[in-house]
Amino acid sequence: DQQVKQNSPSLSVQEGRISILNCDYTNSMFDYFLWYKKYPAEGPTFLISISSIKDKNEDGRFTVFLNKSAKHLSLHIVPSQPGDSAVYFCAAGSPHGQNFVFGPGTRLSVLP
Amino acid sequence: DGGITQSPKYLFRKEGQNVTLSCEQNLNHDAMYWYRQDPGQGLRLIYYSQIVNDFQKGDIAEGYSVSREKKESFPLTVTSAQKNPTAFYLCASIDLGGEAFFGQGTRLTVV
Repeated sequence: DQQVKQNSPSLSVQEGRISILNCDYTNSMFDYFLWYKKYPAEGPTFLISISSIKDKNEDGRFTVFLNKSAKHLSLHIVPSQPGDSAVYFCAAGSPHGQNFVFGPGTRLSVLP
Repeated sequence: DGGITQSPKYLFRKEGQNVTLSCEQNLNHDAMYWYRQDPGQGLRLIYYSQIVNDFQKGDIAEGYSVSREKKESFPLTVTSAQKNPTAFYLCASIDLGGEAFFGQGTRLTVV
């Protein structure tokens, strides 16, 4: 049973619009959440994180929202750019590296 | 420059052979991880180590082995017991703040 779910395998968005990527988790012990971006044949790169004491974290065009009661987080990219086209992984765990769990990823395509 | 290095980038193995994937980091991180990525399955944890000379099995450890003799190095051996070894393998180290740093990956193909 997947502890971290990304129910949309793919998403297409027009350039300049908002991209919203969703992630759900089942383990209430998770208290730290991260988003990674991955291009083909490369390792994932870190995008943004949020701890459970916050409900929002913003970094430039990227904002992560956390709803602890719903065990749901989302990544908003505004405005979306063609270079954002990649696979986005949500990850959950605890800060000291206790078995980070990754979701299956969502492939984002930003269309010019 | 600090970072995490995996080698080789591409690796071919004959059936029945063991092969070792290298992962080195100079970030002074205690925790290191090996993941396997298959199409549509995201990242699945093979093994992880949180301190030198200690490591734990992840979700799909069968057919793999690791060692952690030095803080900087966490090699993964894919043994002949691994039934379906063709995949993209990713090594990561994680800092105290929980941020993971990934290597560029090794694509292993069994021929």
